Amino acid sequence: AQSVSQHNHHVILSEAASLELGCNYSYGGTVNLFWYVQYPGQHLQLLLKYFSGDPLVKGIKGFEAEFIKSKFSFNLRKPSVQWSDTAEYFCAVGGSGNTGKLIFGQGTTLQVKP
Amino acid sequence: DAGITQSPRHKVTETGTPVTLRCHQTENHRYMYWYRQDPGHGLRLIHYSYGVKDTDKGEVSDGYSVSRSKTEDFLLTLESATSSQTSVYFCAIRDRGLDTEAFFGQGTRLTVV
Repeated sequence: AQSVSQHNHHVILSEAASLELGCNYSYGGTVNLFWYVQYPGQHLQLLLKYFSGDPLVKGIKGFEAEFIKSKFSFNLRKPSVQWSDTAEYFCAVGGSGNTGKLIFGQGTTLQVKP
Repeated sequence: DAGITQSPRHKVTETGTPVTLRCHQTENHRYMYWYRQDPGHGLRLIHYSYGVKDTDKGEVSDGYSVSRSKTEDFLLTLESATSSQTSVYFCAIRDRGLDTEAFFGQGTRLTVV
């Protein structure tokens, strides 16, 4: 069965600090991994995705994520956060089956202090 | 923005009444999803569809049913609403191809009193 776990529920950082949000997944086959962001009062938007190839994926707004197959992890990173990065971040896993099932983690709320 | 419309956007209903939420897409995407978002629980999959009349249960399907009689419409029905179903409901669509991203609707805020 597919599942995804985000370990950090609430993170508070000062501007210019580095960010790393953890994401671990469980799935027996080939996975597709995603990070989404939800700004206050808005719907989810894609930050980046991994399907195959280079395990280091770069996304929008300076975010990147690294797929480590041996650790079943897909952690999100940003070298220097800004106040505008304050949002909720979701990791998601899609399996390789034909049904397109897409499971999200519990989310991590990031608060960046100016 | 992707062509997804959720209706209604807000609804207050009484315990025990049936409620239907509608998700309409203009993108001809294959996959459609219904999620609920609750503080501390993130997004939880209720039901999803991989084609007309092809649906399957998600993580929290009890008390919910769905129907997809046309590619563009995916209906979520709360058969007998309970207070625990007070939540924000999001519809999402995704094109065929497993590396494609999901696009989300604006959400429906449902309150069961």
